[in-house]
Amino acid sequence: AQSVTQLGSHVSVSEGALVLLRCNYSSSVPPYLFWYVQYPNQGLQLLLKYTSAATLVKGINGFEAEFKKSETSFHLTKPSAHMSDAAEYFCAVRADTGTASKLTFGTGTRLQVTL
Amino acid sequence: DGGITQSPKYLFRKEGQNVTLSCEQNLNHDAMYWYRQDPGQGLRLIYYSQIVNDFQKGDIAEGYSVSREKKESFPLTVTSAQKNPTAFYLCASRWAGVSPLHFGNGTRLTVT
Repeated sequence: AQSVTQLGSHVSVSEGALVLLRCNYSSSVPPYLFWYVQYPNQGLQLLLKYTSAATLVKGINGFEAEFKKSETSFHLTKPSAHMSDAAEYFCAVRADTGTASKLTFGTGTRLQVTL
Repeated sequence: DGGITQSPKYLFRKEGQNVTLSCEQNLNHDAMYWYRQDPGQGLRLIYYSQIVNDFQKGDIAEGYSVSREKKESFPLTVTSAQKNPTAFYLCASRWAGVSPLHFGNGTRLTVT
């Protein structure tokens, strides 16, 4: 079985400050990990993905995430927040077993960016 | 432009009626998925299909049905047996292998 835990359903940062969104996963096999962003009343857009290559993954809009196997974590960071980063962020894990290939999502973290 | 089209964007129904949500993709993706999103609960998998004419139940399939007669289409029917159908429904698709999911813009269903 696989699962994802996102710590903090709401995170607030000032514009220009560091963004850190936490994600811990559980998987019985080597996982693939993803971060998605969702703006109000829209679908999800892929920010970045980890597929067992480099442990530090760079994504769109200046975001990056580091896969740490020892901590079972895949936290999302951005050095300097922008107002346009305000959205909901979802971490997801996929662990392929047999012919099944399902993506399991965390409950999301809503990022607020203040002036 | 390639993408996933979900229609309609907003849908209103009376309790006891079945309703079908449309999902069409022109990305030539093999697999298609339906997720339900409720506030504070993230996305939960309803059904998925990896090839035409085959589909599997997800984590919350009760009260829903799907079909996959064509590669590009994966409609979802919300039946009257679904106890809490009001939600935001997201369709997604992807190629085989480790490719990520691509999402449509969702359909917000309200049942009163």
